[in-house]
Amino acid sequence: DAGVIQSPRHEVTEMGQEVTLRCKPISGHDYLFWYRQTMMRGLELLIYFNNNVPIDDSGMPEDRFSAKMPNASFSTLKIQPSEPRDSAVYFCASSTRDRELWPLHFGNGTRLTVT
Amino acid sequence: DAKTTQPNSMESNEEEPVHLPCNHSTISGTDYIHWYRQLPSQGPEYVIHGLTSNVNNRMASLAIAEDRKSSTLILHRATLRDAAVYYCILRLSGYALNFGKGTSLLVTP
Repeated sequence: DAGVIQSPRHEVTEMGQEVTLRCKPISGHDYLFWYRQTMMRGLELLIYFNNNVPIDDSGMPEDRFSAKMPNASFSTLKIQPSEPRDSAVYFCASSTRDRELWPLHFGNGTRLTVT
Repeated sequence: DAKTTQPNSMESNEEEPVHLPCNHSTISGTDYIHWYRQLPSQGPEYVIHGLTSNVNNRMASLAIAEDRKSSTLILHRATLRDAAVYYCILRLSGYALNFGKGTSLLVTP
């Protein structure tokens, strides 16, 4: 099992540019989560999907952020236009519910820097 | 939603036990207590979880107070590789977990 795969690992872009982060969940997992981590706020949940359907997007900071899951093996998080305050590490995680135990499996993150 | 409170940081000597506390005074009866840790430059990884009874696995032990308003993650012999940020989390309504800032554990030789 390759685990959750995120790309790119690092992204540097200029303010105003569109940024797309990608995630491939573990095969067979039916939940997918996007998190953002900053020193100030820690690890925050942005949005999560179940069976490719967005369930809770209340953590998405504003309309500049959007997330899609066109199929069970791929998800994107897009920021348009990007701003310096979007600089953070973005994590994708996947899971499947197995009675009460369903640990989240995280990718290694994408470090985004907006200049 | 029930929230957790953890110390910002703790320090331990190598090969000594470490007790990482977590307060969750507003926990509901159906909330599971999850612990994750995050090693430098990696995503968080699952450590252990429990509901009411104490739990042990190969990584750690989880001690849950009788009133469930607090819990303690126990690393029996800390190693340098255990230096990480440890998160105590209650499952939110639905299925998502919301992390906070956790406890940064420093292990010194």
